[in-house]
Amino acid sequence: RKEVEQDPGPFNVPEGATVAFNCTYSNSASQSFFWYRQDCRKEPKLLMSVYSSGNEDGRFTAQLNRASQYISLLIRDSKLSDSATYLCVVILLYNFNKFYFGSGTKLNVKP
Amino acid sequence: NAGVTQTPKFQVLKTGQSMTLQCAQDMNHEYMSWYRQDPGMGLRLIHYSVGAGITDQGEVPNGYNVSRSTTEDFPLRLLSAAPSQTSVYFCASSMKDNQPQHFGDGTRLSIL
Repeated sequence: RKEVEQDPGPFNVPEGATVAFNCTYSNSASQSFFWYRQDCRKEPKLLMSVYSSGNEDGRFTAQLNRASQYISLLIRDSKLSDSATYLCVVILLYNFNKFYFGSGTKLNVKP
Repeated sequence: NAGVTQTPKFQVLKTGQSMTLQCAQDMNHEYMSWYRQDPGMGLRLIHYSVGAGITDQGEVPNGYNVSRSTTEDFPLRLLSAAPSQTSVYFCASSMKDNQPQHFGDGTRLSIL
């Protein structure tokens, strides 16, 4: 079983729409959580951290549900420039912490 | 602002050849790691290091070696290239092992 699972999509939405992605993780020892954005053939870039109480950054809202072991990303008022693949990242607590990436959810925002 | 620098950006090898992918960071980060990214598979951790002289295996370490003699550099060695190692390789670093990572531009490697 994968440590982190995401719906690959694609999610095709019109400009201005609200879209949400979920990401489930299998290990309850997971310690920290992040969302990254990856444009085609580029490196992943940090979008936002995910805090237990939920957090917002402009049009983006991240939530963590430890009981059900998933994190979510909500994008409001989608822009064409939001088109990308969104990766969730989980850090598992071992002797040394290890990062695990989901395979990503592709978002296409259409005019 | 250099950040994480990977070289080369592209490389074609023949089966059985060896090579080293270079990764350097100028942010004095303790934690560095190597990933490979294949279509539909996401990023998979190959090896990582929590500081100079300390390395450990990730999810897919076979066929790769690493060393961390300095804080700045974390090279990845392919001992005997195989077509299954055709992939995009990313190096990343962070201040600590529980903080977000910064990625290099990637190395696109093809093994014929």
